[in-house]
Amino acid sequence: ETGVTQTPRHLVMGMTNKKSLKCEQHLGHNAMYWYKQSAKKPLELMFVYSLEERVENNSVPSRFSPECPNSSHLFLHLHTLQPEDSALYLCASSHINRGLNSPLHFGNGTRLTVT
Amino acid sequence: EDQVTQSPEALRLQEGESSSLNCSYTVSGLRGLFWYRQDPGKGPEFLFTLYSAGEEKEKERLKATLTKKESFLHITAPKPEDSATYLCAVQGPSNTGKLIFGQGTTLQVKP
Repeated sequence: ETGVTQTPRHLVMGMTNKKSLKCEQHLGHNAMYWYKQSAKKPLELMFVYSLEERVENNSVPSRFSPECPNSSHLFLHLHTLQPEDSALYLCASSHINRGLNSPLHFGNGTRLTVT
Repeated sequence: EDQVTQSPEALRLQEGESSSLNCSYTVSGLRGLFWYRQDPGKGPEFLFTLYSAGEEKEKERLKATLTKKESFLHITAPKPEDSATYLCAVQGPSNTGKLIFGQGTTLQVKP
């Protein structure tokens, strides 16, 4: 099992569809993250969950809705997306102890195309 | 505002031609600076963490160094398999553990 697994690897959806991205970590970490990676741009932090509580919401539009049912699983629910939301969505996990972060471990991402 | 700038944006080297990548940062209260490698179609892979000015870390042909304003990733005698995008990120004072990333340097090493 790889450390952080994301499914699906590729997703094409219309603007009126509803879909979900899934992430699972097998590293025993206590924090999980969603990042968006667009061409020629730095990785953009979207959400942070620490001990299953959302601790960061980086001004992300409401058409993106995260869910963290336990410390090993993270979802990103998508609805009524726009073409500019097409990007690589990366999930990551880490262990936070007294505010210090272990290195983030990333999954291989979901390549999302909105038509 | 916390900010990370990497240069150059792209770098082409001949096999064996050593060079350095730069990561300049502005952050109030650095808790750590991270280097990652990203291959096409994959997520970033962790390379190094540096915590304080003067610190250095090495792994095979890579060596990372840190000052109060910037970090360098030195690549000695690179091979074609070193071709990838190298990402730099900083963790500031936030307790959420979030990282702020630079835009990356895409390295191509030709045989």
